[in-house]
Amino acid sequence: GQSLEQPSEVTAVEGAIVQINCTYQTSGFYGLSWYQQHDGGAPTFLSYNALDGLEETGRFSSFLSRSDSYGYLLLQELQMKDSASYFCAVKGNTPLVFGKGTRLSVIA
Amino acid sequence: DGGITQSPKYLFRKEGQNVTLSCEQNLNHDAMYWYRQDPGQGLRLIYYSQIVNDFQKGDIAEGYSVSREKKESFPLTVTSAQKNPTAFYLCASSPRLVEETQYFGPGTRLLVL
Repeated sequence: GQSLEQPSEVTAVEGAIVQINCTYQTSGFYGLSWYQQHDGGAPTFLSYNALDGLEETGRFSSFLSRSDSYGYLLLQELQMKDSASYFCAVKGNTPLVFGKGTRLSVIA
Repeated sequence: DGGITQSPKYLFRKEGQNVTLSCEQNLNHDAMYWYRQDPGQGLRLIYYSQIVNDFQKGDIAEGYSVSREKKESFPLTVTSAQKNPTAFYLCASSPRLVEETQYFGPGTRLLVL
């Protein structure tokens, strides 16, 4: 089977940096994706890591360590609009398996 | 514009009633998915289809049914056997089944009267 663990809630200050962690257990692993979902909206794709290391896309970066079954999403220069839920998802031999999500609240 | 559409945005179900949620995509994707999301919860897979006339049960298929008669369409029926149907339902698609990127529709919120 597959399971993912991520914190349920994180709060950070506008302009700061926040890291959202994700650990996974899976029988087949190709990579780790991250999605953002605003309240009442649809999830949208943010990033994907197939190899170890850091991938940077603007203010967002994502990291993967395959040996540790661990990844994280790093959000820099936080803005109020970054308040949303963030999901990690494992790409394996089956459809994507999503974590339960981390609700990020950005405060002034 | 290419994308995924879901209708209706809100749907009300009476006790013992079957209701059908629509999902259409014009992205020419082979794979389509249905997820259920409860408040504060992640996405749980109900059914998925990797090609026309084929579909597979996901983690929580009981009380639901689907069809895939056309590549563009993947409707979900919530049957009366689903005793707790109130949730946010999301449809998604991807070029192939095993993809890191799925494209989601805007969702349908189902409420029970």
